[in-house]
Amino acid sequence: GEDVEQSLFLSVREGDSSVINCTYTDSSSTYLYWYKQEPGAGLQLLTYIFSNMDMKQDQRLTVLLNKKDKHLSLRIADTQTGDSAIYFCAVSFSTDSWGKLQFGAGTQVVVTP
Amino acid sequence: DTEVTQTPKHLVMGMTNKKSLKCEQHMGHRAMYWYKQKAKKPPELMFVYSYEKLSINESVPSRFSPECPNSSLLNLHLHALQPEDSALYLCASRKGGGTDTQYFGPGTRLTVL
Repeated sequence: GEDVEQSLFLSVREGDSSVINCTYTDSSSTYLYWYKQEPGAGLQLLTYIFSNMDMKQDQRLTVLLNKKDKHLSLRIADTQTGDSAIYFCAVSFSTDSWGKLQFGAGTQVVVTP
Repeated sequence: DTEVTQTPKHLVMGMTNKKSLKCEQHMGHRAMYWYKQKAKKPPELMFVYSYEKLSINESVPSRFSPECPNSSLLNLHLHALQPEDSALYLCASRKGGGTDTQYFGPGTRLTVL
């Protein structure tokens, strides 16, 4: 099956940029997602990128996809304390009718003042 | 509107109790999902309903019984649970096409005593 890997922890100062990385093994991954989960809450869809794209920008968020290296990253500009959360990378495949998601283990981001 | 609602927010039950979790969406989505999430771990898929029919059961014990009474509502009936079933139970929905994203509810925090 698909393996999706993320580093487990990232500490960043308020105002700096955060970069969260994700690698995956199956090159037929079609859609790649970033979800944010704050303590005690559900998963919030932050952004997603199609596999035929290299980059997507949405306000403070920039997603970069390197298909050759099977590497996905999420950059958060001007990180705020409200960005402290667990960030999950997930992939899905157009061949899967049920839209099943393969999740990474999640990266805990701690923003320090 | 991308809202998925879940009730109750918290539930404490004994091992002999019967209880139900409820999930609702009014986005016209035709696929609905139940996930189980342990602390600091990614969600694990339990069930998928597509057009109100159970499409995937990821080998979930029979003490968990899903039900989809209509296209907007998804229930999870619980009976004779074990303490290790304590977790955050997340519901998600998706429009139904192979390329659509999943939107998650806030979850029900379940504690089994």
